[in-house]
Amino acid sequence: SQQGEEDPQALSIQEGENATMNCSYKTSINNLQWYRQNSGRGLVHLILIRSNEREKHSGRLRVTLDTSKKSSSLLITASRAADTASYFCATRTSGTYKYIFGTGTRLKVLA
Amino acid sequence: EPEVTQTPSHQVTQMGQEVILRCVPISNHLYFYWYRQILGQKVEFLVSFYNNEISEKSEIFDDQFSVERPDGSNFTLKIRSTKLEDSAMYFCASSERQGVILGGSGANVLTFGAGSRLTVL
Repeated sequence: SQQGEEDPQALSIQEGENATMNCSYKTSINNLQWYRQNSGRGLVHLILIRSNEREKHSGRLRVTLDTSKKSSSLLITASRAADTASYFCATRTSGTYKYIFGTGTRLKVLA
Repeated sequence: EPEVTQTPSHQVTQMGQEVILRCVPISNHLYFYWYRQILGQKVEFLVSFYNNEISEKSEIFDDQFSVERPDGSNFTLKIRSTKLEDSAMYFCASSERQGVILGGSGANVLTFGAGSRLTVL
């Protein structure tokens, strides 16, 4: 499998529910970031978690990182229709310059 | 808020033609990237650029591709002879710093442009 794979590939929930997306990666990383992409638009940075951190919060976002399992999760609480977008995790392998993006989770929040 | 701007927003070209995609990164950023996304698929790394040279490139970034920072503000991606499979959204990104260089924890945030859609016929 590829570096940075999110699951599920697609998620459909009702407004007000929580949305959880997962990301798995393969190599040792310095940090992991989550980005959001509205349809046909550029990616927007949401949150960054360093390899020595286990959990981080930002507003309605909560990110966890488990380096032993090489996985991360993004939780969006109390989702809104405006949260409808694709969400990508991005990792940078130690000693490299490039951020590798996962395959993305397409989230649809129904009003 | 500072932003990365890309032009054109959409370009249609014939197979075999040269294409130049332009980007104006955020002014105090030092690291520049090109990514591409084929419709509905993953965002793929093409190249990173620092200090007027390529710092890393992917297997996709073959001899048909080149990047340049001609005047200290623009950052361009050139595709010399386009192929049908080059049709994609091309995203430029920039970041302020790079932890590998500074010996830090490697935390830098990418700011993306809105993308240039390339259609090769």
